[in-house]
Amino acid sequence: DVKVTQSSRYLVKRTGEKVFLECVQDMDHENMFWYRQDPGLGLRLIYFSYDVKMKEKGDIPEGYSVSREKKERFSLILESASTNQTSMYLCASTSSHYEQYFGPGTRLTVT
Amino acid sequence: AQSVTQPDIHITVSEGASLELRCNYSYGATPYLFWYVQSPGQGLQLLLKYFSGDTLVQGIKGFEAEFKRSQSSFNLRKPSVHWSDAAEYFCAFNTGKLIFGQGTTLQVKP
Repeated sequence: DVKVTQSSRYLVKRTGEKVFLECVQDMDHENMFWYRQDPGLGLRLIYFSYDVKMKEKGDIPEGYSVSREKKERFSLILESASTNQTSMYLCASTSSHYEQYFGPGTRLTVT
Repeated sequence: AQSVTQPDIHITVSEGASLELRCNYSYGATPYLFWYVQSPGQGLQLLLKYFSGDTLVQGIKGFEAEFKRSQSSFNLRKPSVHWSDAAEYFCAFNTGKLIFGQGTTLQVKP
C-alpha cells in the first residue's frame, strides 16, 4: 500500500514564526502536492512538484513556499505564520494523472 | 471554467436507507473522476474512480458511482448506509491537478 506520512498531526505556532510541514511518501512517486482544507471551501491547492527541485504554484501560494530536495520528501514552509493560515494541511502524491494518495493531515493553529 | 459542484452540503439519512450524493463537473472533455471520503480528523481515502469504459464503477465499502456524460454527472450511491459511513465525501476530477468539489457531509441517524 502507498503510504504518505506527515510529520505532525497537530501543531500550534505563534504569529511570525517560521513553520515547516514535512511530507514523506514511500512509493517513488514523481508528483507531490500540498493542499489546505477549510470548512466550506473544500481543498485548495497551494503548491505542487513534478520532480526533485521543481515546484509549481497552485491556486493559493501566497504566504507559502516549498522545498523538494529528495524525491520522497516535500516540505511546506510558512515563512512568517499568520492567524489566517490556521487550517488543516494535506499532502498527497501520485505517479500519474490518476488518483492521488493523501496523508493524514496536519492541523495547524497559529495564535 | 473547470469546476466540480456538489449541490448538497449536508445530507442526513437513516441507517439502512439508500444514499445518493450528487456531483456535477464542468470540463471540455471527459475527465478522470474520483470520489474520496474523509473521516473526522483524517486524510482522504479513495472510494472509487472512473477513467473510461463501463460507466458504472464499483468501489470500496459497498459504494458505486455512475458516470453520465450527457449530464456531466458522477453521482455516488450506496444501497444501505451504515453508521460508519458518516463522513465528508468529496468528488474530484483530474486534468493534471485535482479539482475538488466543496464536499458533502453525511450524517447517519440510528
